Amino acid sequence: AQSVTQLGSHVSVSEGALVLLRCNYSSSVPPYLFWYVQYPNQGLQLLLKYTSAATLVKGINGFEAEFKKSETSFHLTKPSAHMSDAAEYFCAVSEGGGSQGNLIFGKGTKLSVKP
Amino acid sequence: DTAVSQTPKYLVTQMGNDKSIKCEQNLGHDTMYWYKQDSKKFLKIMFSYNNKELIINETVPNRFSPKSPDKAHLNLHINSLELGDSAVYFCASTPSGLAGGQQYFGPGTRLTVT
Repeated sequence: AQSVTQLGSHVSVSEGALVLLRCNYSSSVPPYLFWYVQYPNQGLQLLLKYTSAATLVKGINGFEAEFKKSETSFHLTKPSAHMSDAAEYFCAVSEGGGSQGNLIFGKGTKLSVKP
Repeated sequence: DTAVSQTPKYLVTQMGNDKSIKCEQNLGHDTMYWYKQDSKKFLKIMFSYNNKELIINETVPNRFSPKSPDKAHLNLHINSLELGDSAVYFCASTPSGLAGGQQYFGPGTRLTVT
């Protein structure tokens, strides 16, 4: 079965600092990997996804993630944090060998940005 | 022009009641999902429907019954509500249901059972 582990339930950075949110996955088949963001009291919005093309994936709002098969990781980064980046971030893997699309989510990382 | 909409946004009810949450998508997608987000923000798949047919039914109590009158709608009916059902329920849709497809989420329905 596939699973996702997000290290750190809460990450706090200063405005302008590097953002690094960690995600490791477990999968017996080539995975599809996603990062979603959830702002307070809102639904989930896709930041970016990896679907076996380029290993470095660029997303919205200046975020990017790198797929590293050898480390089974898909960490999310942003060079310079903005106050508006404060939110909950979820890493997810798509389950199944191409026939199902439901997402297996990590437990989420809350990002706080200090002025 | 909301892509995935859910009603109601908030639902407060007492234990033992029966309630429904509605979901509609105007994206023309074939596959729709229900996810549950608990108080610790953990998201878990509950059901998946492809073209009105049930594809995935995770270990959800049979008090929960999804209904899809057409491929644009996936409603969630809950019988005999329990305190542990309190959560935020998200509906989502995707074009084909294949792994790797982007899912579009609704705004969520916060259910509180007292």
